[in-house]
Amino acid sequence: GQQLNQSPQSMFIQEGEDVSMNCTSSSIFNTWLWYKQDPGEGPVLLIALYKAGELTSNGRLTAQFGITRKDSFLNISASIPSDVGIYFCAGQKTGTASKLTFGTGTRLQVTL
Amino acid sequence: EPEVTQTPSHQVTQMGQEVILRCVPISNHLYFYWYRQILGQKVEFLVSFYNNEISEKSEIFDDQFSVERPDGSNFTLKIRSTKLEDSAMYFCASSASGETQYFGPGTRLLVL
Repeated sequence: GQQLNQSPQSMFIQEGEDVSMNCTSSSIFNTWLWYKQDPGEGPVLLIALYKAGELTSNGRLTAQFGITRKDSFLNISASIPSDVGIYFCAGQKTGTASKLTFGTGTRLQVTL
Repeated sequence: EPEVTQTPSHQVTQMGQEVILRCVPISNHLYFYWYRQILGQKVEFLVSFYNNEISEKSEIFDDQFSVERPDGSNFTLKIRSTKLEDSAMYFCASSASGETQYFGPGTRLLVL
């Protein structure tokens, strides 16, 4: 099946630092999405990317849809304690009601 | 802001018993999904549903699983005879157009 690999698997950073994580796939996706999951809760949508090369920001978050359509990155600037959680990328192929294929996740922990 | 809701939040059941997980998607959405997440792992697609029928299902979604939209607001996942390995968080998601999917808070199912 399709695999989306995220790196790093986990990271510890200091409050105020910038964070970068990425997601790579063996196959092409037409839409990339980034979700954040807090413990015991559902994934919350952060950013959606619909076009190869697209760069989109949402507050302190910036994400890009790779030009090959096989990768995406997410940057978080000036991290704060509430950024703690697991970040998942998800790819979607074209097609009605197309399923999401989730990445392996990046666990972010922020130290004060 | 409208959101997907799920009930119950937790369910404990004996192996072999039937369970029904309930979801109320966002009201003007037309596409509905179930995903599951085994503890510590990534989110996995189970099934998508549109226009009162299944659009796509994964290998996990075998004959023990079924979905239904019994009325205009609920979307249910039934597991006919639960197995130990069905223990997981089950997430419902909905989408207006089949693209961006919004997730509910999940039901934690524990099969003993």
